[in-house]
Amino acid sequence: NAGVTQTPKFRILKIGQSMTLQCTQDMNHNYMYWYRQDPGMGLKLIYYSVGAGITDKGEVPNGYNVSRSTTEDFPLRLELAAPSQTSVYFCASSYSMPPSDIQYFGAGTRLSVL
Amino acid sequence: AQSVTQPDIHITVSEGASLELRCNYSYGATPYLFWYVQSPGQGLQLLLKYFSGDTLVQGIKGFEAEFKRSQSSFNLRKPSVHWSDAAEYFCAVGVGNEKLTFGTGTRLTIIP
Repeated sequence: NAGVTQTPKFRILKIGQSMTLQCTQDMNHNYMYWYRQDPGMGLKLIYYSVGAGITDKGEVPNGYNVSRSTTEDFPLRLELAAPSQTSVYFCASSYSMPPSDIQYFGAGTRLSVL
Repeated sequence: AQSVTQPDIHITVSEGASLELRCNYSYGATPYLFWYVQSPGQGLQLLLKYFSGDTLVQGIKGFEAEFKRSQSSFNLRKPSVHWSDAAEYFCAVGVGNEKLTFGTGTRLTIIP
């Protein structure tokens, strides 16, 4: 069982470039999440989705966009990348609503914006 | 404001020694409590969780945690650590319909 798969694993962007971080899960989970992890800061929620076609902002959504056209996929779009977006990004999913359900995490995407 | 605190940024213990990682929270109601572990280059994996009932919960890899309402704590313990336990450990807390809040993490180093 693949679980939550994120691509790419590493990426270097130049300031002002755009990119999409891919996330797919094969567990038929309704809920999906994007977090960023900065040193000493724990995980901060960027966006989440409660099902296909439904997304909402988390704690730190500025500079990011998401879409959820299928249950399986939840891509994160960075427009006009900035050095402040240098971080490790994690996608996660859960079957039912937070906070009572376990979240399953991908291995992360390490992004540097130079 | 609701918050989760992991007061220890970095802990070093000898292999075979006991371990306790601290987690304190500030919430009005009894929260859902989790401990996750992150091995180098990997995503987070659930170690254990507490929702209700017995306040001492057992998890994977020989870990346990105890919920103490009076102290607003959910400390993680292991009686004898192994070199493979070296990782970063995150406490996470949630209440009601709110999203999970993660602590800032504790990095564990094991000395041979």
